[in-house]
Amino acid sequence: DAGVTQSPTHLIKTRGQHVTLRCSPISGHKSVSWYQQVLGQGPQFIFQYYEKEERGRGNFPDRFSARQFPNYSSELNVNALLLGDSALYLCASSDSGSNRYEQYFGPGTRLTVT
Amino acid sequence: AQKVTQAQTEISVVEKEDVTLDCVYETRDTTYYLFWYKQPPSGELVFLIRRNSFDEQNEISGRYSWNFQKSTSSFNFTITASQVVDSAVYFCALSEALTNTGKLIFGQGTTLQVKP
Repeated sequence: DAGVTQSPTHLIKTRGQHVTLRCSPISGHKSVSWYQQVLGQGPQFIFQYYEKEERGRGNFPDRFSARQFPNYSSELNVNALLLGDSALYLCASSDSGSNRYEQYFGPGTRLTVT
Repeated sequence: AQKVTQAQTEISVVEKEDVTLDCVYETRDTTYYLFWYKQPPSGELVFLIRRNSFDEQNEISGRYSWNFQKSTSSFNFTITASQVVDSAVYFCALSEALTNTGKLIFGQGTTLQVKP
């Protein structure tokens, strides 16, 4: 079975631009979470979506938004990019919206903002 | 406040040595879940184990073992007879039942280097 997939793998953008990152969860999983991992640090929670509804939001500015589609895939959008947005963006899926279940992570999208 | 602390930034061992990675957590919730993930150079986080706050039994899986002690708020991870393939960044993480948002709180990670 395919794991969590993310696209693109790498991306280079300029300050002020907008970016869209995509994630497809493991088949049958209805929950998708997004994390930002800055070099040398642990991942930071951005959003969780379950059954197309936002269930949780981390401490990120409104420039960050996301949505989940009927097939449970998800997009993360970041507007007005800043240099500090350069990071590895990880998507994770779970078969439940509950905190008790493990999340399975994709390979990430490495975003570089110049 | 919820927090996970991995005080060891980097550990270097020689193959076949045993190594323990420390994890200390803070939470006000009485029901919570603890996780360990491995992040190899490829970047993908690999799930290793989940523990709930009501189950303090230690667990062993092959060369891996975990020691959960509620009294000291610790969830340490030991690799026995380490191998070069164990080289990676290891993260301890916490989620709280009360919030139920799917939010994982990660520690800073411990970089393990196993030398041949």
